[in-house]
Amino acid sequence: QTVVTQEPSFSVSPGGTVTLTCGLSSGSVSTSYYPSWYQQTPGQAPRTLIYGTNTRSSGVPDRFSGSILGNRAALTITGAQADDESDYYCVLYMGSGIWVFGGGTKLTVL
Amino acid sequence: QLQLQESGPGLVKPSETLSLTCTVSGGSISSSNHYWGWIRQPPGKGLEWIGSIYYSGSTYYNPSLKSRVTISVDTSKSQFSLKVNSVTAADTAVYYCASLSRTGHWYFDLWGRGTLVTVSS
Repeated sequence: QTVVTQEPSFSVSPGGTVTLTCGLSSGSVSTSYYPSWYQQTPGQAPRTLIYGTNTRSSGVPDRFSGSILGNRAALTITGAQADDESDYYCVLYMGSGIWVFGGGTKLTVL
Repeated sequence: QLQLQESGPGLVKPSETLSLTCTVSGGSISSSNHYWGWIRQPPGKGLEWIGSIYYSGSTYYNPSLKSRVTISVDTSKSQFSLKVNSVTAADTAVYYCASLSRTGHWYFDLWGRGTLVTVSS
């Protein structure tokens, strides 16, 4: 089964910019995989941030943006804030009704 | 506004069957705009998609769990359900139900709060 890869951890300074990525163990991510991104803080359900590669979900600040960078989907946070410290997950559609989540990235803001 | 709520036992014995229900409110489970899904998260680990169902009963399952999982829908009760057979400690997790939007883009647009299921004797 195809594995969806994410950086296990990342660190960013307050006000800084960070790009988290979502790739495949084999092949390239494209818009056809409907990449979407979710933010999760401890003890909470995931919150939808980005869908369809680059569309922000309702209420999501515009410092969050999505894109395809090379062969991976990407989530960029521009002007990181302390409350952006969370776990971030991507999920890709593999076809035939199958979805695969990445392992998640733990983002530290310090 | 659409809301999802999981319910079911918080403790299941090894080798038995885990059963959870998700109640959909504030919208129609028979909507053509959504599939309905189950996702789980073992303590301290990442998210794992379990499977999805359409109101018509069409189902899709994670290949790694397919042999033990059944997802069903009861439109009269506005509920969909998850059963996992022959559970072990590895099935201990927070189980989330979620709506899977199919309006142009496909994505999990709304999540329940999640319910912790512990497998232990």
